[in-house]
Order: sequence, then structure tokens, then C-alpha cells
Amino acid sequence: QVQLVESGGGVVQPGRSLRLSCAASGFILRNYGMHWVRQAPGKGLEWLTVISPDGTHYADSVKGRFTISRDNSKNTLYLQMNSLRPEDTAVYYCANGGNWSWGRGTTVTVSS
Amino acid sequence: DIQMTQSPSTLSASVGDRVTITCRASQSISDSLAWYQQKPGKAPKVLMYKASSLQSGVPSRFSGSGSGTEFTLTISSLQPEDFATYYCQQYNNYPYTFGQGTKLEIK
Repeated sequence: QVQLVESGGGVVQPGRSLRLSCAASGFILRNYGMHWVRQAPGKGLEWLTVISPDGTHYADSVKGRFTISRDNSKNTLYLQMNSLRPEDTAVYYCANGGNWSWGRGTTVTVSS
Repeated sequence: DIQMTQSPSTLSASVGDRVTITCRASQSISDSLAWYQQKPGKAPKVLMYKASSLQSGVPSRFSGSGSGTEFTLTISSLQPEDFATYYCQQYNNYPYTFGQGTKLEIK
């Protein structure tokens, strides 16, 4: 059964860092383009980044601050988030671009 | 970046109604368009991909059409569980972009 489970969210002060994880099961993560998408409270969906066979791509809003990576041995996707800002407060989802599966999300709150 | 514009932003309808949501792209995206349904507190769920391909397990009352810059999602006969927010997403060019959403409300 295909499943994605995000973790690592929490409350963090502005300027600090956080790393999100997305554990995949039921498929081999490295075989697919894997994405991170976020949703600020009461707002719409915002695509952030992808890691795929042709490399990585980022939205301008996170370029230079966020880094996507994966650990094939753990079948896990990561999002390293640095220099966090209050506007990064959101639910963060990982998603499989090949089979369209999504995790349930993890909440990040950036506040002093 | 490609801008995706959905209309309407809010739609009031009744059970049994036929409804259509429109999504327009600021430039051609071929048929690289997906539609999602999202209910409060839940992750988005894909309904359609490649503009008109129905995701496995999605009821056949949902259909999609279009190519290039104009796309539609149609629900042929609204059911109570269909009241939710709907998003389109283009995946033809990076950065992938979403429409702003259409909230489907009970009339």
C-alpha cells in the first residue's frame, strides 16, 4: 500500500532552521519525482520544490533557503528549511508526482 | 511563471446539480493539468490528471476537458460529499503552479 508520512514540523523562531521528513512505503521513492507543497492557514496550495531524475527545482519563494533531498537507503524524502520566516508558517505536504499520492502533512509555525 | 486562474472563486449549488469549474493558464500547458479536491483539515486528493484522465477510484460523475490554456472540471450530479474546495495545477513547466481554488458550497 502506497503511503507517505511527513514528520518534523513544530514551532520555530524566525531565522532558525527545521528539517522535514517524508517516509515512503509501498513504492521506491528514487524512481519518482517527489514534491513538497505547502498551504498557509486559510490559503491555497503552493508548490515548493521537486527532486526528480533531471535534478531539483524550486519556487522563487524558497530558492536559496530550502533544500530538497532524499535518502534512498531509508526511502525517505527531506526538506531542509533555513532562515525561516513567519510567512513560511503552513502545513507542508510531500507528494509523489508519478502516482499522485500525498501525505497528510506536517505543520510548521514560525513565530517568536 | 505560469499563472493559473480559476473561476468562480465560490460556487453555490444543490445536490443533484451539474457544475463546472474553469481554469485558465497564462500560456499553453498542453494537457499537463491536474484537478484536486480538498476537504477541511485533509490533504488534497487528485481527481483528474492529464486534463481528462480520471484517477483510479474517483467517481465517474467527475470529468475534465481542455488543452492549451483553458480547462474545465465538471461534476455531473453533485453529491453531498462533493462540497469541498477544488484546485487546478499545471505541471508543464517549473515552477508548477496552482489555481487559487474554487470553494463549492451548499446552496
